[in-house]
Amino acid sequence: SAVISQKPSRDICQRGTSLTIQCQVDSQVTMMFWYRQQPGQSLTLIATANQGSEATYESGFVIDKFPISRPNLTFSTLTVSNMSPEDSSIYLCSVAYGGRPTDTQYFGPGTRLTVL
Amino acid sequence: QKEVEQDPGPLSVPEGAIVSLNCTYSNSAFQYFMWYRQYSRKGPELLMYTYSSGNKEDGRFTAQVDKSSKYISLFIRDSQPSDSATYLCAMSEMKTSYDKVIFGPGTSLSVIP
Repeated sequence: SAVISQKPSRDICQRGTSLTIQCQVDSQVTMMFWYRQQPGQSLTLIATANQGSEATYESGFVIDKFPISRPNLTFSTLTVSNMSPEDSSIYLCSVAYGGRPTDTQYFGPGTRLTVL
Repeated sequence: QKEVEQDPGPLSVPEGAIVSLNCTYSNSAFQYFMWYRQYSRKGPELLMYTYSSGNKEDGRFTAQVDKSSKYISLFIRDSQPSDSATYLCAMSEMKTSYDKVIFGPGTSLSVIP
């Protein structure tokens, strides 16, 4: 298993600002994912972040809006840029030690973001 | 039509009841199916997984897949208050190592003592 922490746990932000969410894992892992979970909606994959390469974004998500860094095998950040109320959501990171999305994913506790 | 659908609930049952949680899906290429459990203010955690059709049992939990109907179920026997959580089904085509996982929106379950 993995112990994953996220910072901040929650935040309230103003429209037009940016927020950087940190994800820290207690052991080295190749594959890390960032998800968005909106009320009543499915957990939606934003991007896959592998150390040493550019993040791979899913349809509907772009790097200018959600830049991701993956400086090492235990840490990643997701920035939500130029925020609007539609960005209000829970953002979760997860890791998969087997290197595949279908391997057991271990999730962080999430960051609850409210944009006013 | 959404790719994966779940009744959002909330589903409220008395302690000891048998619970049935269900998902339907539209993509006939899905062949790997998972159930995640998510407690309030926590991230999801993998509960069970099954490959292709059939049943799989783990303690009080049984996962069932009917690919012909594009329907999967999770049964919880002798439900406990500690089972109160949101249950997310998830699935993948698993044709390549990098096929992504598609999650359902989750069903909220409350087990009343």
